[in-house]
Amino acid sequence: GENVEQHPSTLSVQEGDSAVIKCTYSDSASNYFPWYKQELGKRPQLIIDIRSNVGEKKDQRIAVTLNKTAKHFSLHITETQPEDSAVYFCAASRDNAGNMLTFGGGTRLMVKP
Amino acid sequence: EAGVAQSPRYKIIEKRQSVAFWCNPISGHATLYWYQQILGQGPKLLIQFQNNGVVDDSQLPKDRFSAERLKGVDSTLKIQPAKLEDSAVYLCASSSNRDRGNYGYTFGSGTRLTVV
Repeated sequence: GENVEQHPSTLSVQEGDSAVIKCTYSDSASNYFPWYKQELGKRPQLIIDIRSNVGEKKDQRIAVTLNKTAKHFSLHITETQPEDSAVYFCAASRDNAGNMLTFGGGTRLMVKP
Repeated sequence: EAGVAQSPRYKIIEKRQSVAFWCNPISGHATLYWYQQILGQGPKLLIQFQNNGVVDDSQLPKDRFSAERLKGVDSTLKIQPAKLEDSAVYLCASSSNRDRGNYGYTFGSGTRLTVV
């Protein structure tokens, strides 16, 4: 089955700096890669996703890049703000196989004001 | 639209006791998932339903865990008997086959289980 590795496990940045979180996956048939943000005590919320036919996708301060050959994808947050502090999870799935997601272990992002 | 509803929000039980969790997915969502999220880890899939049939339960510890979705809507997840290592948040999620791009993949608020 799919295995998703996520790094780093914790990340501390100064407000206004950029943050990058990286994930690798094992199943070359995976073609859908979402990112979730989970605040303390709350449910995971989808923030951005990318499909294998696209190399990069951007939504305001958040961007995701995908390298299918190397089987890794990354989340980039620019101009970080204290409210970006949360745990971020990457995930991967074969979109045509029922949408089952395999999650990475998570990255705790702390943005210091 | 209403979100994925789960109950209870919190549950504390002693080891070897039984517990059940309930999930009501978003109306019309055919696919329902139960995930286990241990503190500090990513969610791990326990079981996936398509309507009232099981699609994948390969990671469900079947000696103690069971789940059902009898009418293809609500679902219950049961643990009997519970062990200390079952302490986790149990998340339910649902998605619509009409949205084959996972846009309809929505999590509930979860049930936090503590086994003492």
